[in-house]
Amino acid sequence: QKEVEQNSGPLSVPEGAIASLNCTYSDRVSQSFFWYRQYSGKSPELIMSIYSNGDKEDGRFTAQLNKASQYVSLLIRDSQPSDSATYLCAVNSEGSQGNLIFGKGTKLSVKP
Amino acid sequence: SAVISQKPSRDICQRGTSLTIQCQVDSQVTMMFWYRQQPGQSLTLIATANQGSEATYESGFVIDKFPISRPNLTFSTLTVSNMSPEDSSIYLCSVEEMGYEQYFGPGTRLTVT
Repeated sequence: QKEVEQNSGPLSVPEGAIASLNCTYSDRVSQSFFWYRQYSGKSPELIMSIYSNGDKEDGRFTAQLNKASQYVSLLIRDSQPSDSATYLCAVNSEGSQGNLIFGKGTKLSVKP
Repeated sequence: SAVISQKPSRDICQRGTSLTIQCQVDSQVTMMFWYRQQPGQSLTLIATANQGSEATYESGFVIDKFPISRPNLTFSTLTVSNMSPEDSSIYLCSVEEMGYEQYFGPGTRLTVT
């Protein structure tokens, strides 16, 4: 059974701090990794994708991937109250189309 | 990314009836998917809808309960048949673009009474 694990939270950080969200996955052959943000009552929005080991930065967001440890993380710098949402980690295994497995999500709360 | 719309955005239905959800994309896409998100839960893939072929269903989902149509490269429907309160959920369609990235429609919030 292929699994994606996330800490459900809630993770609470003060405004301006760095929020660190973590995700582990069970399938060693996973090739593509994604972070989605989901506001309450809304659909998931893709915010980051990462395919190779290392860091990928996009604005205030940095995704980190370590395939040897089967670990992917998302850092949010200078956190804002508008970042308060549930963050879903998703993994595509075997490079096959559509085979996205989602974690249960981490709820982030950024306090003003 | 593609712009995706869904109809209806929400509905309240009686037990035993059926509801058809429409998903429209503003560009041609090969892969479309239907997901369910139950209250407080993550996303579960129901099926993959490819144009010109039968939908591929995930374990636990069957065609009789969730028939899917994919008549062209911009449109798909999901029907939730013979509904029960356990079918109350958000139903989402998505499309796949480059690098296996999936983009989601706004969702259909279904309540079965």
